[in-house]
Amino acid sequence: EAGVVQSPRYKIIEKKQPVAFWCNPISGHNTLYWYRQNLGQGPELLIRYENEEAVDDSQLPKDRFSAERLKGVDSTLKIQPAELGDSAVYLCASSPSGRTNTGELFFGEGSRLTVL
Amino acid sequence: AQSVTQLDSQVPVFEEAPVELRCNYSSSVSVYLFWYVQYPNQGLQLLLKYLSGSTLVKGINGFEAEFNKSQTSFHLRKPSVHISDTAEYFCAVTSSGGSNYKLTFGKGTLLTVNP
Repeated sequence: EAGVVQSPRYKIIEKKQPVAFWCNPISGHNTLYWYRQNLGQGPELLIRYENEEAVDDSQLPKDRFSAERLKGVDSTLKIQPAELGDSAVYLCASSPSGRTNTGELFFGEGSRLTVL
Repeated sequence: AQSVTQLDSQVPVFEEAPVELRCNYSSSVSVYLFWYVQYPNQGLQLLLKYLSGSTLVKGINGFEAEFNKSQTSFHLRKPSVHISDTAEYFCAVTSSGGSNYKLTFGKGTLLTVNP
């Protein structure tokens, strides 16, 4: 079974430039999460999707961050314009919904963003 | 809302020594608890989880953890560590009610195993 796939693995950009990250969850997982992990910290939730609906985006900085999951499968997280403080690892995770969901998240390898 | 405190940011140990990584949580409702491991430049991998039942939970790679409700703790232990156990370890909590789970993570503990 293929795991959660993220791209790109690494991205270096200058401040004020846009950047986008892509995630493909495990097949059949209806719930998709984007987390941000700052250096030396634990992951923090940015947004959670149930199918194509964003059900928790309270921690997403909406002035510069946007996300979409148009067909309820893969998802894109965008930052425009990027700031120095956005340097972090962006982790995508997925989980099944309903009775098979035990709270366990399955993570991708992450996309490491460096803003210069 | 839940929160997690990992009491040690770094734990250095020698190979084959025992180790305990401490985790305390705060929640007003019943919880599920998790330990994840993150190797350098990789995503998080589940080590073990407590959902219900026996308070002693065994996971992969010889790790185990004990849920203590009265002390709101979920400490991770291994009787004899290997060099390959060097990694960052994260404790996480979510409420057990409903089906919409939102994991809250601690800040992590860096375990360094020295020869």
